[in-house]
Amino acid sequence: DIQLTQSPSSLSASVGDRVTITCQASHDIAHYLNWYQQKPGKAPKLLIYDASNLEPGVPSRFTAGGSGTQFSFTITSLQSEDFATYFCQQYDNLPLTFGPGTKVEVK
Amino acid sequence: QVTLTESGPALVKPTQTLTLTCAFSGFSLTTSGMRVSWIRQPPGKALEWLARIDWDDDKFYRTSLRTRLSISKDPSKNQVVLKMTNMDPVDTATYYCARIPDSWGQGTLVTVSS
Repeated sequence: DIQLTQSPSSLSASVGDRVTITCQASHDIAHYLNWYQQKPGKAPKLLIYDASNLEPGVPSRFTAGGSGTQFSFTITSLQSEDFATYFCQQYDNLPLTFGPGTKVEVK
Repeated sequence: QVTLTESGPALVKPTQTLTLTCAFSGFSLTTSGMRVSWIRQPPGKALEWLARIDWDDDKFYRTSLRTRLSISKDPSKNQVVLKMTNMDPVDTATYYCARIPDSWGQGTLVTVSS
């Protein structure tokens, strides 16, 4: 199975801050990575697909990049509605696997 | 608009079989390339993919749970069913069905307790 690790596991930030999360894969997964946002009691929401493509309707303050084993996800200017948990997911191989998540909290 | 909705028991006893139904709309599982997965999330923990069924009836399972899982589809009803046998308290989780990556159900919390 391909393991995904995320860093940090949590962070505290303020509105307007730039926030960056990293996701590392245990094997080369090319660009087969998605990023999601999840709020308590809600289903995951797709933000980024294919490592760097913004899902339609998602604000442009969300960006991401990377390939192979190293990926990053950035919120360029944090908004109040962005306090949530973010996680990566690979689809290069089954089983699909998810990162453990990064909780973005209010500073 | 794609929607998926999970249904099933909120509480099951240890050793019982869990049956969950995913009713979906906005796409057809007879269309080439369509797939539906089941994923679960124990309280406060990470997401875990369980199984997937494809438009051509190919089925894939999490290796560690292979002997306990069964996935099936009824395209005429736009439904996918997941069965998990021999339920244990560690299986307590919110269970999601999804057309990964873009469409997820709201999830259904299943508690395993006597």
